Amino acid sequence: DIQMTQSPSSLSASVGDRVTITCRASQSISSYLNWYQQKPGKAPKLLIYAASSLQSGVPSNFSGSGSGTDFTLTIISLQPEDFATYYCQQTYSTPRTFGGGTKVEIK
Amino acid sequence: QVQLQESGPGLVKPSETLSLTCTVSGGSISSYYWSWIRQPAGKGLEWIGRIYTSETTNYNPSLKSRVTMAVDTSKNQFSLKLSSVTAADTAVYYCAREVTRGSARWFDPWGQGTLVTVSS
Repeated sequence: DIQMTQSPSSLSASVGDRVTITCRASQSISSYLNWYQQKPGKAPKLLIYAASSLQSGVPSNFSGSGSGTDFTLTIISLQPEDFATYYCQQTYSTPRTFGGGTKVEIK
Repeated sequence: QVQLQESGPGLVKPSETLSLTCTVSGGSISSYYWSWIRQPAGKGLEWIGRIYTSETTNYNPSLKSRVTMAVDTSKNQFSLKLSSVTAADTAVYYCAREVTRGSARWFDPWGQGTLVTVSS
């Protein structure tokens, strides 16, 4: 199985801050990396697919980068509605695996 | 717009079989992989497995011995059975569509999720 390691597991930030979340795969996954946002009591929502492609309808405030084993999700200017938990996911091989999540909290 | 809805018992007794159905509306179930994912309270996401409309399946090795998935194209539904459940199987269970476009693959949309509690 490919292990996905996210860091940090949580962070506190203020509205307007630039936030960076990293995800590392235990082996190369090319660009088969997706990012999801999950709010309490809700299903995960796709933000970024193929490492850097913004899903339709997602604000351009979100961006993704990376390939191989190291990936980054950046929230350029944190908005109140961005406080949530973020997960990375690899779809390079089965079993599909997710990172442990990064909880973004209000400072 | 494709929508997914999970359904099934919210309470299952230990050692029994958990059974859930995901109904796909707004589009055809054909020609996609359909996945089940679960999330224990306060924890992360675990992929359970997937099924294609040809009934090809891939299961997570950690659960493979207990998982069975099926698809009913006439009803636009797919299902999950997890046998010999314990309290560790208590979680919110989600269904999701896996989309493939070129060399990219992602899960979208997801169902709203259904809580299954294993308790006597």
